[in-house]
Amino acid sequence: GAVVSQHPSWVICKSGTSVKIECRSLDFQATTMFWYRQFPKQSLMLMATSNEGSKATYEQGVEKDKFLINHASLTLSTLTVTSAHPEDSSFYICSATNTGTGRVNEQFFGPGTRLTVL
Amino acid sequence: GNSVTQMEGPVTLSEEAFLTINCTYTATGYPSLFWYVQYPGEGLQLLLKATKADDKGSNKGFEATYRKETTSFHLEKGSVQVSDSAVYFCALGSNTGKLIFGQGTTLQVKP
Repeated sequence: GAVVSQHPSWVICKSGTSVKIECRSLDFQATTMFWYRQFPKQSLMLMATSNEGSKATYEQGVEKDKFLINHASLTLSTLTVTSAHPEDSSFYICSATNTGTGRVNEQFFGPGTRLTVL
Repeated sequence: GNSVTQMEGPVTLSEEAFLTINCTYTATGYPSLFWYVQYPGEGLQLLLKATKADDKGSNKGFEATYRKETTSFHLEKGSVQVSDSAVYFCALGSNTGKLIFGQGTTLQVKP
């Protein structure tokens, strides 16, 4: 149980285009989803927290208009990188949690999406 | 604020050697503590966790004990295998539900 998938697993796009990454909880309802960014050989940097049906909360320094997050259902959140540039190339990882279980802080991670912007 | 500090890597060991990866934290209150493992090209997998002082988390031969007096959660394994080669992250669970990660420690196990 507690499986999280991401799609696509990797994507290459041209500079200036937009890319959408999906994060799905396959066997549980994700009341909260998190989006992280990871640079090579570095730790995970939290970008934003999204709760189903409400606006995402972005971490300081993360551009809301550039990284659009939508959490339309209890099993799906999307991250759209708008007008992507080479510096947006990174490994994007989502995680999901179900606060209704009472298992505080137990996040289940997706396999990640490798974005390369040419 | 809350923070997590891990020993720098990479850590290189021979197969069957003893492993310790140090992790210390700074936090208010009594956070939950976690170790996650990331294999090349993959997302993170929860390895073990502890939710209160003196708890010992264990999984796949790995262990870590929540030490409040030393604010530590060191990861140990008695005999590592080549398949244990990965990046290990120590993390602290805040009361907002967010996880705060250490910088990660790369483990390389040679046959």
